[in-house]
Amino acid sequence: GQNIDQPTEMTATEGAIVQINCTYQTSGFNGLFWYQQHAGEAPTFLSYNVLDGLEEKGRFSSFLSRSKGYSYLLLKELQMKDSASYLCAVRDSNYQLIWGAGTKLIIKP
Amino acid sequence: TAGITQAPTSQILAAGRSMTLRCTQDMRHNAMYWYRQDLGLGLRLIHYSNTAGTTGKGEVPDGYSVSRANTDDFPLTLASAVPSQTSVYFCASSDGPESTDTQYFGPGTRLTVL
Repeated sequence: GQNIDQPTEMTATEGAIVQINCTYQTSGFNGLFWYQQHAGEAPTFLSYNVLDGLEEKGRFSSFLSRSKGYSYLLLKELQMKDSASYLCAVRDSNYQLIWGAGTKLIIKP
Repeated sequence: TAGITQAPTSQILAAGRSMTLRCTQDMRHNAMYWYRQDLGLGLRLIHYSNTAGTTGKGEVPDGYSVSRANTDDFPLTLASAVPSQTSVYFCASSDGPESTDTQYFGPGTRLTVL
């Protein structure tokens, strides 16, 4: 079967750095996405990786290793507004997104 | 810019009743999707449409039907609601399965079936 694993919850301090991991087992691979979802709101796109390596976008970076079925989202200089759930999703061989349950990130002052 | 709109925002529905959740996008995206999101679970695909006039079944299609008469609208119908269909429903759209194919989400409909 297809499976996406992420930690359920993480806590970090304002101004610090946090890494959210995602491991996946899917039927085929056509890219990995990270979305941010604030409580009660819709998911919004953060990043996309299809080749191995690091993609940097401001305070957020995303890394992919296809051979290990592994990705992480790195958030730097954490701000209180970064408190949200972070969703990892893999596009499979049918070009459908398979979603992880999300990681709830709690930022403390 | 409206993007994707959904209606209603929330609804309480008696079991056995039917209901249509509406979704409209103004981005001229080819593909549209319906997901449900339940606590502790990832988004699960109910139905999708790669282009107007075509639809397909996702991971959890039972009890739901969709239509795609035009590019902009993608309604989701529950013919006879059951309590297990209590969930938050998100509609999404994208250009199609190519390149980054970023999916853009509507604000969601919170449905409670009693």
